[in-house]
Amino acid sequence: SQTIHQWPATLVQPVGSPLSLECTVEGTSNPNLYWYRQAAGRGLQLLFYSVGIGQISSEVPQNLSASRPQDRQFILSSKKLLLSDSGFYLCAWGATGGGPFFGPGTRLTVL
Amino acid sequence: DQQVKQNSPSLSVQEGRISILNCDYTNSMFDYFLWYKKYPAEGPTFLISISSIKDKNEDGRFTVFLNKSAKHLSLHIVPSQPGDSAVYFCAATDAGGTSYGKLTFGQGTILTVHP
Repeated sequence: SQTIHQWPATLVQPVGSPLSLECTVEGTSNPNLYWYRQAAGRGLQLLFYSVGIGQISSEVPQNLSASRPQDRQFILSSKKLLLSDSGFYLCAWGATGGGPFFGPGTRLTVL
Repeated sequence: DQQVKQNSPSLSVQEGRISILNCDYTNSMFDYFLWYKKYPAEGPTFLISISSIKDKNEDGRFTVFLNKSAKHLSLHIVPSQPGDSAVYFCAATDAGGTSYGKLTFGQGTILTVHP
């Protein structure tokens, strides 16, 4: 069966510091991968998606970037965090016939 | 522009009764719709989906209805259980069935089921 992992689970970072969130998927090959964010009191917003290694599409302009160095690894990064980057970050993988399926998420607080 | 809307922020239901969660959309290109359940500090859990070629899909206690002419879908939970208490998100995609991950989400509805 497929499993999706995210780490860390929680993160508190100062404004201006860098960020790296990692997501890995097990049990599937060549998945579509996605980064979503849920800001406080709001729904989920798609940030990035990837259909293959090195292929990244950005859905909204922002202070973040994404990379896919391996087939089942997806990384969300920032060089300098802003207060507005705080939120709950969710990685997901796409499948036909059901889902997509989300990971457990990372709670990021920027102070 | 909110393309997917859940106009009820919260819903309170007695255990054993029916819960009906509603969702409206504006983008006529959406052809696949999903419902997710989310607990605090956890990722959303996929519940049920429906393609635009259908008007109803049922899975156990969960049934999703789609009214394309009204651009409206609803999730029915029968019977409701206290463990169903969570935030429910409606989501939609216009990917033509090839990529279900690029979703547009509603704001969510908090469901509380009282014993």
